[in-house]
Amino acid sequence: DQQVKQNSPSLSVQEGRISILNCDYTNSMFDYFLWYKKYPAEGPTFLISISSIKDKNEDGRFTVFLNKSAKHLSLHIVPSQPGDSAVYFCAALSGNTPLVFGKGTRLSVIA
Amino acid sequence: DVKVTQSSRYLVKRTGEKVFLECVQDMDHENMFWYRQDPGLGLRLIYFSYDVKMKEKGDIPEGYSVSREKKERFSLILESASTNQTSMYLCASRTVSGRGYEQFFGPGTRLTVL
Repeated sequence: DQQVKQNSPSLSVQEGRISILNCDYTNSMFDYFLWYKKYPAEGPTFLISISSIKDKNEDGRFTVFLNKSAKHLSLHIVPSQPGDSAVYFCAALSGNTPLVFGKGTRLSVIA
Repeated sequence: DVKVTQSSRYLVKRTGEKVFLECVQDMDHENMFWYRQDPGLGLRLIYFSYDVKMKEKGDIPEGYSVSREKKERFSLILESASTNQTSMYLCASRTVSGRGYEQFFGPGTRLTVL
């Protein structure tokens, strides 16, 4: 049973526009969430995280929003750039447990 | 900068061979993890370790074992490689600080079993 779901396998966005990547979770015990970006043949790179005591965290072009009642989080990238084209993974944990990952969303930013 | 290194970027082995994948981190992190990544399946946890000599099974431990003799080193062992173990293997280390949980990945090892 998937505890972290990324329902869109892929997303295409025009350069300069907003990219919105979504993630849903089922485990209400999750209290920390992370987003990773992965290029082919490389390890995932940490992007941004959010604790369950917050509903928004921002870092440059990246903002993560958390809606605990809906068990939903989203990553916004503004403005999108061609270099943002990658696979994005959402991950969650409860206390010091292993991260549970979604299956990823492939973002393509078209110039 | 945190550095997680893996012994090989690409590896080709034959069915039945014993395979060692080494991972080293330089930031004194307690927690270390091994994942494999396959298309459409995301990252799946094989084994993890929260301390030296300690290991815990993840979601898909069958066919694998691990060793953690030193804090900075976490090894993944395929006792008898099979073709269904062809995959990208990712090692990670993690700490918790004032900024929250920080988990860093190595560059990955692309293993092909023929």
